[in-house]
Amino acid sequence: DAGVIQSPRHEVTEMGQEVTLRCKPISGHDYLFWYRQTMMRGLELLIYFNNNVPIDDSGMPEDRFSAKMPNASFSTLKIQPSEPRDSAVYFCASSSDQETQYFGPGTRLLVL
Amino acid sequence: GESVGLHLPTLSVQEGDNSIINCAYSNSASDYFIWYKQESGKGPQFIIDIRSNMDKRQGQRVTVLLNKTVKHLSLQIAATQPGDSAVYFCAEEAGGNMLTFGGGTRLMVKP
Repeated sequence: DAGVIQSPRHEVTEMGQEVTLRCKPISGHDYLFWYRQTMMRGLELLIYFNNNVPIDDSGMPEDRFSAKMPNASFSTLKIQPSEPRDSAVYFCASSSDQETQYFGPGTRLLVL
Repeated sequence: GESVGLHLPTLSVQEGDNSIINCAYSNSASDYFIWYKQESGKGPQFIIDIRSNMDKRQGQRVTVLLNKTVKHLSLQIAATQPGDSAVYFCAEEAGGNMLTFGGGTRLMVKP
C-alpha cells in the first residue's frame, strides 16, 4: 500500500494567491483528516470527513479555508486568499477504524 | 502532552540505553491513546496504541503504560537506537473520532 499521498510536497506562494493542497487517502479508509502543524501551535485538527461528508470543521481557522472530498479517494484543502501566517506544514491522515490514523508526508507551505 | 510552543522538551539518551517518554493528558473521558513518531521532514508515524481498559501494552521494543488515576501515559523504548531519534507525540481520543495531540518530546540518541 502506498500510504496516504499528498501533493505538492512543497509550495511557495505570494500573499493573496490561492493555494490548493491535495490528498489521496489509503484505499478503503472511510475517514479523512486535515491537520496543520506549526512550531507555535503544534499539530491542530482542521477538519475531518467520514464517507466523504464533512463531520467537524470547527478547527478551520476562518472562511479563507475550505475543504472538499468529492469522492472516497481524493480531498482538497484550499486557502484563498493566502496570508503569511498560513505558512505551516499541512498533513492529511486517514483511518478505517475511527481511531488509528495514518499520516501522509505533508505539504510544506510558505506564503511570502 | 502540553503544548510547549517553540521549545520542545528534549530527552537525550545513550545508544543502547532504555528511553522513557512521558505524557500527561487532560481529558478523563479519553478512552484511546496513541503514540506517534515524527522524523524530520516526515509525517507522524503510528507506533503503538492502548485502550483505557488496559494499563500496559507491548510491541517490538516499545511498551506503553497507562495510568488513568493520574492521567499519565508513557512510552518506553528498549535498547534505543540512533534511528529512534525523532519527536514523539502522544494523542488521546474521547469519542467523536478526533485525536488531541500533545506538544511532543524530542528524543536524541547519542552514538
